[in-house]
Amino acid sequence: GIQVEQSPPDLILQEGANSTLRCNFSDSVNNLQWFHQNPWGQLINLFYIPSGTKQNGRLSATTVATERYSLLYISSSQTTDSGVYFCARTWNDYKLSFGAGTTVTVRA
Amino acid sequence: DAGVIQSPRHEVTEMGQEVTLRCKPISGHNSLFWYRQTMMRGLELLIYFNNNVPIDDSGMPEDRFSAKMPNASFSTLKIQPSEPRDSAVYFCASRSNYEQYFGPGTRLTVT
Repeated sequence: GIQVEQSPPDLILQEGANSTLRCNFSDSVNNLQWFHQNPWGQLINLFYIPSGTKQNGRLSATTVATERYSLLYISSSQTTDSGVYFCARTWNDYKLSFGAGTTVTVRA
Repeated sequence: DAGVIQSPRHEVTEMGQEVTLRCKPISGHNSLFWYRQTMMRGLELLIYFNNNVPIDDSGMPEDRFSAKMPNASFSTLKIQPSEPRDSAVYFCASRSNYEQYFGPGTRLTVT
């Protein structure tokens, strides 16, 4: 099946630090999305990024489809950035394959 | 837009009771999904509707689970009878093109 590998599995940051999360795919990168699941359990859309680079405030993402990976950058991290970050790609038109997630803890 | 709306946000019930979860997708989205999230299994797709028609229900665990979408703005997921192993967070999501948007989830606890 489709494999989605995320790294690192856990990340502990001091407030203000920058970080990079990575997502690798065993197959083509179709309709890639990044999500943030906050400590209250809500799944929030960060980016829809099948290719190229996008930025939204302190977050940005880059997908290199030809090399089957995507990166999520968090700059000047804040405690509200804590939670689990998932990447997911669409296959078979509608199914989402999620990675195992990166758990980010930002300490004040 | 208010996003995907789910109710209730929390549900605690006793084993054997019927549970009904509700979802209002984002207006204009023609695809709707029900997911279940547990620590052990992560996010699992239960059922997928397109234009109110169930397309893929292969993820529905067993006959105790049923889902309906009577119109484009409303869907229900029903569990009857509920069991403790059904305890999980249930998410509804809707889609525009290929981007899925998730609701806040319903945290179900079956005692």
